Amino acid sequence: KAGVTQTPRYLIKTRGQQVTLSCSPISGHRSVSWYQQTPGQGLQFLFEYFSETQRNKGNFPGRFSGRQFSNSRSEMNVSTLELGDSALYLCASGQGVTGELFFGEGSRLTVL
Amino acid sequence: AQRVTQPEKLLSVFKGAPVELKCNYSYSGSPELFWYVQYSRQRLQLLLRHISRESIKGFTADLNKGETSFHLKKPFAQEEDSAMYYCALGTGGGNKLTFGTGTQLKVEL
Repeated sequence: KAGVTQTPRYLIKTRGQQVTLSCSPISGHRSVSWYQQTPGQGLQFLFEYFSETQRNKGNFPGRFSGRQFSNSRSEMNVSTLELGDSALYLCASGQGVTGELFFGEGSRLTVL
Repeated sequence: AQRVTQPEKLLSVFKGAPVELKCNYSYSGSPELFWYVQYSRQRLQLLLRHISRESIKGFTADLNKGETSFHLKKPFAQEEDSAMYYCALGTGGGNKLTFGTGTQLKVEL
């Protein structure tokens, strides 16, 4: 089976712009979670989608949003980018066992 | 609020020595604990979870609710164990995990 695929792998944006990141989960996985990883804060949970519904949400501002499609693929969007949004954004998919996540390689966002 | 603490940023041991990576958690409900590992240039992956009570690659971890700990142990470290280890807490209702800040394990020859 193919692993979790994230695109793009790297991107550079400027403050005020918006960005959309994409995640394709492992085939058959219905849960997709997003995490932000930074050197200062570590891994922080953004949100989780299951069968197109947001099941959990972390403590991030409304500028961070996501969605999941009927084929389980997910996108996350960050609007009005700030310098502090520079991070590695990780997507993880899961089947049914709580906490057993399969991570992608991440999308590295740099905000200038 | 839930919290996971990994007090050591870096742990350096010699090959063949015992390893203990510390993890303490704070959560008022019934916790689910996990250890994730990231080897150099690889993805973050699940190592083990407390509910399965199994040994993976020689590693074990026991949930101690009294001490709110979930330390990761291995009796004899191997060079291939060098990696970043993250302790994670699940608080039910899905796949929301709270991660610790990670411990870099370096096994020296």
